[in-house]
Amino acid sequence: DGGITQSPKYLFRKEGQNVTLSCEQNLNHDAMYWYRQDPGQGLRLIYYSQIVNDFQKGDIAEGYSVSREKKESFPLTVTSAQKNPTAFYLCASRTTASHQPQHFGDGTRLSIL
Amino acid sequence: AQSVTQLDSHVSVSEGTPVLLRCNYSSSYSPSLFWYVQHPNKGLQLLLKYTSAATLVKGINGFEAEFKKSETSFHLTKPSAHMSDAAEYFCVLSTGGFKTIFGAGTRLFVKA
Repeated sequence: DGGITQSPKYLFRKEGQNVTLSCEQNLNHDAMYWYRQDPGQGLRLIYYSQIVNDFQKGDIAEGYSVSREKKESFPLTVTSAQKNPTAFYLCASRTTASHQPQHFGDGTRLSIL
Repeated sequence: AQSVTQLDSHVSVSEGTPVLLRCNYSSSYSPSLFWYVQHPNKGLQLLLKYTSAATLVKGINGFEAEFKKSETSFHLTKPSAHMSDAAEYFCVLSTGGFKTIFGAGTRLFVKA
């Protein structure tokens, strides 16, 4: 079945450590997104990519980095510069056709040790 | 400016009674509107979408929504709530670009 796979489901980060969240899709979508979700705050856009080897900052990019070397993959690195990384992270993708919905993975919950 | 407002942060209904989750939008362009559902520790699942075709849109699990341009609304309804409907619901606006605008969410509680 086509879909988006996020791994791991749970992740723990030590102080000063960088961690990478994986997002893979087999929907043949060009556009991919990373969101952060905190309780009661809805979804906030971290980064998005419209095409391979290109990506743009979203509303809360500080402390995060991404790469888009393959169409299927859009990993997110939470760096030590992100001082409050505890959150639920969601990856999404969509076709580039106008007015189409995004499809979401099942998320990764990141916590601080 | 584009925006989405979900008018209720929490809605509580009894099982078997109707559900109404309210969403208003603001857009300078022809909008597409979506409703998603999110169960705990899960991603968002698309319930239904409006993309300028029929104004009454039917979705999965018995949900439907009506696009009312004059009222700038896109409310989500279901005739009879089920316990499994308890979740968070998001109204989402797309204006054709790559970014989308999410509402803050409405948590639906269903009482037995």
